[in-house]
Amino acid sequence: GAGVSQTPSNKVTEKGKYVELRCDPISGHTALYWYRQSLGQGPEFLIYFQGTGAADDSGLPNDRFFAVRPEGSVSTLKIQRTERGDSAVYLCASSLPGTGVAFFGQGTRLTVV
Amino acid sequence: DAKTTQPPSMDCAEGRAANLPCNHSTISGNEYVYWYRQIHSQGPQYIIHGLKNNETNEMASLIITEDRKSSTLILPHATLRDTAVYYCIVRVARISDMRFGAGTRLTVKP
Repeated sequence: GAGVSQTPSNKVTEKGKYVELRCDPISGHTALYWYRQSLGQGPEFLIYFQGTGAADDSGLPNDRFFAVRPEGSVSTLKIQRTERGDSAVYLCASSLPGTGVAFFGQGTRLTVV
Repeated sequence: DAKTTQPPSMDCAEGRAANLPCNHSTISGNEYVYWYRQIHSQGPQYIIHGLKNNETNEMASLIITEDRKSSTLILPHATLRDTAVYYCIVRVARISDMRFGAGTRLTVKP
């Protein structure tokens, strides 16, 4: 595709359930980022991949959050035992290394009820 | 550890220049200044970036002070569609843990 694609666009889940959010980056972009954004706040950094490896996962709030990028392209953000406080828009971005210019997807709106 | 300081909100009249300031007094020599904006319900959009020289593209101009401790994003002829939250970020381009602050909410008024 031409841009960063995130699926699903909306996800409603019950407290305690497991969810997976998917990000398809722009083809050829080796850098991939995950953020979450609460209403009225700026995007909060979660994790950054360079290729298949997580170069910086210092933003993951706790061990319920995990992200993978096994083949250096598609990435999945996984949240276990979801809590109502996890409700937010989860944003994914990708970029070519060294440029610093990131392209964002439209986000997945996660609602935990 | 906020690296940048921006006013929380600004207004601008349609057709006039919008000048958005950003303070980054602790910027390092190898850190670039990036600007992104986020229109309601969309993902952030890249606008422009620079190291120490002023930069201009089809969207905006970036003016960086000589000491690099502050910068200004200029939208030369603001339109209603420029209403958005504007984020100023400093980072080393090669190392890409890009972190956002609260940004400036720009409202362009008719």
